[in-house]
Order: sequence, then C-alpha cells, then structure tokens
Amino acid sequence: QKEVEQNSGPLSVPEGAIASLNCTYSDRVSQSFFWYRQYSGKSPELIMSIYSNGDKEDGRFTAQLNKASQYVSLLIRDSQPSDSATYLCAVNPGNTNAGKSTFGDGTTLTVKP
Amino acid sequence: DAMVIQNPRYQVTQFGKPVTLSCSQTLNHNVMYWYQQKSSQAPKLLFHYYDKDFNNEADTPDNFQSRRPNTSFCFLDIRSPGLGDAAMYLCATSRRTGVTEAFFGQGTRLTVV
Repeated sequence: QKEVEQNSGPLSVPEGAIASLNCTYSDRVSQSFFWYRQYSGKSPELIMSIYSNGDKEDGRFTAQLNKASQYVSLLIRDSQPSDSATYLCAVNPGNTNAGKSTFGDGTTLTVKP
Repeated sequence: DAMVIQNPRYQVTQFGKPVTLSCSQTLNHNVMYWYQQKSSQAPKLLFHYYDKDFNNEADTPDNFQSRRPNTSFCFLDIRSPGLGDAAMYLCATSRRTGVTEAFFGQGTRLTVV
C-alpha cells in the first residue's frame, strides 16, 4: 500500500462544474496536508494547506480533512480550463524532525470548455 | 521577489559523466530539499538539509550526493548518471521542519544520453 494514494485519473469535468479530488494516507500521525497544482513540464505550486479536521476554503478551492478516516480532498468550484493540471496531494508526518512531504502520484484534471 | 531558482533549466549529460545541479533561494529558509520526479510519478524526496544538518533518505542511491555551502545555495551531484536517472529534479525550501509547506524552484530537466 502506498503511503499517499490519490484517485486514479484522468478526471474530466465540463467548464463551470465542481471537480472533486481525493487522497488517502496511511500514517495516522500525519499532521499537515497540502494540495499542489502542477502544470505539464512545470514544478508543483502550492494551492491549499490544511492542518485541522473540517473544511478550509480559499476562493474557488475547498480542502476537506478527516483525520479519523485518513482522508483529504480538494474541491474546485466553477472549474475553468486553466485549472487543467495534475493535482498532487502531499502529507507531512507528525514527528518533530520531519520537514518533508510524501506525495501521491497525482490526479490529472482536464476541464473542457 | 523572493524565490527558489534552479540552474540550469535543462541539462543533457553523457552516461557516466558527473553532473551538478544547483539551487539558490532568497527566502532565507532553514530547510532545503531535493526531489526527483519521473514522468507521471510523484516527486520522490532524495535528501534534505535542515541548516547544515544533512538528512539522506534510506533509499537514495549513493550515486546522488548533495552540498550546502551556505543558507542560500544547495547542489545536487550525480556522480555517474545512468539512463534511469533521467528525470525532473526539483529543489524546494521551507521555513522549518514539521508543519510547513514547500516552495519549489522551476526544476531542472535532466537528460542522459
């Protein structure tokens, strides 16, 4: 079992729809969770971070965290063609000397005009 | 603007010929990371520095070495590149270990011929 697993893509949604991206992780002591967007051939760019159970909203993006279920998701409302990219879920462990992230393989999202 | 800069953006090297990739940052972050990312895969952490403290991942091949002469710069040395080392190499920084996100440079695309 991978440490961080994302729903296999590709995911295709029409423009204006809600895109839902999911991620599960295996390490129960994980403390921080991030969503990165990566355009083809480019480096990852942070779009959301979440540390506590519940929802966190930033513009069209909402991150949801459920530590009991070891599950984190990203919702993109009013999807735009410019949102077409690979979305990487990243998880940081809970121990003190662990300034590193374990990444999922990513889910590729295509938003069709 | 404060940022993470990698040079070169593209590097072609011969099989077995040592190559060095560089990363600089103006964010004054304590932690610097090197990730390897192959096509359609998750970024894989090779090692990281917390200040001058070097932390190697257990499965990072000995062929990969790193140097951090000061806070701003970090280098990735590949002593004898093989065809399997062709990948995007990502440098990232963060403020501290634990609960924090990583800021990525643009990446260096390494081709081995």
